[in-house]
Amino acid sequence: AQSVTQPDIHITVSEGASLELRCNYSYGATPYLFWYVQSPGQGLQLLLKYFSGDTLVQGIKGFEAEFKRSQSSFNLRKPSVHWSDAAEYFCAVGAGSGGYNKLIFGAGTRLAVHP
Amino acid sequence: SAVISQKPSRDICQRGTSLTIQCQVDSQVTMMFWYRQQPGQSLTLIATANQGSEATYESGFVIDKFPISRPNLTFSTLTVSNMSPEDSSIYLCSVVVAGGNEQFFGPGTRLTVL
Repeated sequence: AQSVTQPDIHITVSEGASLELRCNYSYGATPYLFWYVQSPGQGLQLLLKYFSGDTLVQGIKGFEAEFKRSQSSFNLRKPSVHWSDAAEYFCAVGAGSGGYNKLIFGAGTRLAVHP
Repeated sequence: SAVISQKPSRDICQRGTSLTIQCQVDSQVTMMFWYRQQPGQSLTLIATANQGSEATYESGFVIDKFPISRPNLTFSTLTVSNMSPEDSSIYLCSVVVAGGNEQFFGPGTRLTVL
């Protein structure tokens, strides 16, 4: 069965430090992968997506993610974190036809940023 | 992208009652979905709202509990029926716009059942 694992429930980093949020997926075919961010009291905003091609994808707000098929991973990175990046981050895999429906979400990683 | 509105944004309801949540999109979309986010949890897909026909429910969700309508391309409702405290969650609708390949989410409806 398809699944998404985000091993880190909470992560705390200092402002200006680099960030990597881990995501591992289980999916039989070529996965469609997404990272969303949910700020307090807000809906979900798409940061980036991977369907095919270049395994390093750029997203909004300075985020990037790298797809590694051999490790079944799609980790999210940012070179320098800003206080406004404090939020909950969800990795998701598209499990339905077309790749962008029937999203299966990971449990999320809550990011705290220290000044 | 799409601008998605949900009504109400939040509500507090008594057990045994029902609440209907509306989702309105400002552009034509090909697909609409309803998700539930229980307190401190991730999102779980409830169903795909199909225009003019019955919704497609995921395992663990049934039409009697979560009836869904989608009368046109830009509007859908989700009803949470015979509510219990366990239904306290954030309910979010999402859409795929025409020609798009990603889901955009509404702001959510925060439901508390007493």
